[in-house]
Amino acid sequence: EVLLVESGGGLVKPGGSIRLSCATSGFSFTEAWMNWVRQSPGKGLEWVGHIVRKVDGGTSDYAPPVKGRFSISRDDSKSTLYLQMSNLKIEDTAVYFCTTTIRREYYFGLDVWGQGTTVTVSS
Amino acid sequence: SYELTQPPSVSVSPGQTARITCSGDVLSYQFAYWYQQKPGQAPVLLIYKTTERPSGIPARFSGSSSGTTVTLTISGVQAEDEADYYCQTTHSGGSSLFGSGTEVTVL
Repeated sequence: EVLLVESGGGLVKPGGSIRLSCATSGFSFTEAWMNWVRQSPGKGLEWVGHIVRKVDGGTSDYAPPVKGRFSISRDDSKSTLYLQMSNLKIEDTAVYFCTTTIRREYYFGLDVWGQGTTVTVSS
Repeated sequence: SYELTQPPSVSVSPGQTARITCSGDVLSYQFAYWYQQKPGQAPVLLIYKTTERPSGIPARFSGSSSGTTVTLTISGVQAEDEADYYCQTTHSGGSSLFGSGTEVTVL
């Protein structure tokens, strides 16, 4: 069974930092491009960023609102994805989902999602 | 910058056809993907590569494209199809972009 389990969410003050984790199992993590997607309360889905697999360079890319503040990393030995969030703003309050594509034929279709972890930025 | 535009809401009676559009210049040269999200749940992939349906997704869901607009069609809408629907595409080496989302109400 494929599983993505996010953790690390919580209450953070504006300007603070927090690190989210996404523990995975049931698929070849080393072969996966991994994404973070967020959803603010009552709002739509927003792509946060991704990290490609090491054989493709292991690089990451980010949506403009988080570029320079968020950093995505991966530990292939632990099949775990991370999202380091710094200089947090009120508008970063959201449920953060870890997601990826398992079946190659789906191309960039995100067919596996975690249940999400909630980050609340408030003073 | 890239942008995908969807209507905020669509209403449809059971058994009828719902069409949800998603517009953006990038859609003229990139694939589109569609997701269904019900309250409190993670999104589910409904359509990939603009017109293809993953295994397990009912045949009443279909995707099409014309120019810079893609459309998700739900034929024979059922009460369980009441949900939010999002389009997605990629650009610049695999970075993703989601549409604003459409709330489907089954009357």
